[in-house]
Amino acid sequence: GIQVEQSPPDLILQEGANSTLRCNFSDSVNNLQWFHQNPWGQLINLFYIPSGTKQNGRLSATTVATERYSLLYISSSQTTDSGVYFCAVVAWESSGDKLTFGTGTRLAVRP
Amino acid sequence: EAQVTQNPRYLITVTGKKLTVTCSQNMNHEYMSWYRQDPGLGLRQIYYSMNVEVTDKGDVPEGYKVSRKEKRNFPLILESPSPNQTSLYFCASSLQGFGNQPQHFGDGTRLSIL
Repeated sequence: GIQVEQSPPDLILQEGANSTLRCNFSDSVNNLQWFHQNPWGQLINLFYIPSGTKQNGRLSATTVATERYSLLYISSSQTTDSGVYFCAVVAWESSGDKLTFGTGTRLAVRP
Repeated sequence: EAQVTQNPRYLITVTGKKLTVTCSQNMNHEYMSWYRQDPGLGLRQIYYSMNVEVTDKGDVPEGYKVSRKEKRNFPLILESPSPNQTSLYFCASSLQGFGNQPQHFGDGTRLSIL
């Protein structure tokens, strides 16, 4: 099956700093989503981005499907950005479309 | 408000005592699925359902059962829970499969099996 790798696994930022999180995947995908898991465990949908670039406030994401990676940019980070960021990809397998998650990037933003 | 609702949010129980985690969505989605999240392993799919009365195994189905009698509900059943099923569980739904649809997740259920 498809492999999804996220980097870095852990990241500590000072409030106000910028960061880039990366998601690499091993095969062609039909779509890709970024999620934020907050400290209470809830999964928040950030972006649905099979290709191209999208922006939502201080966050933006870019997926280059032909090169099999996606980037999540966080600008002017805030303590509320802390948590775990997951990318999840959909790839076709013989049994049908399958959603596979990466193992996440754990972000801590210090005040 | 469009949402996926799971209950209970937290449960501590003992080995062998049957339990059911309910999942309900109000978006008329056809596709529903269950995941478990464990440290270092990310989220792994347990079961999924393409539509009413259609269910199939995901990556880690052992020890779990599901049913899809109605479009809006997709309960997860642990007939004889064991400690290795202690985990954080998520239910998700999407309009029609994964292909070109975003997934919507419930708030999660923390299960502890003693």
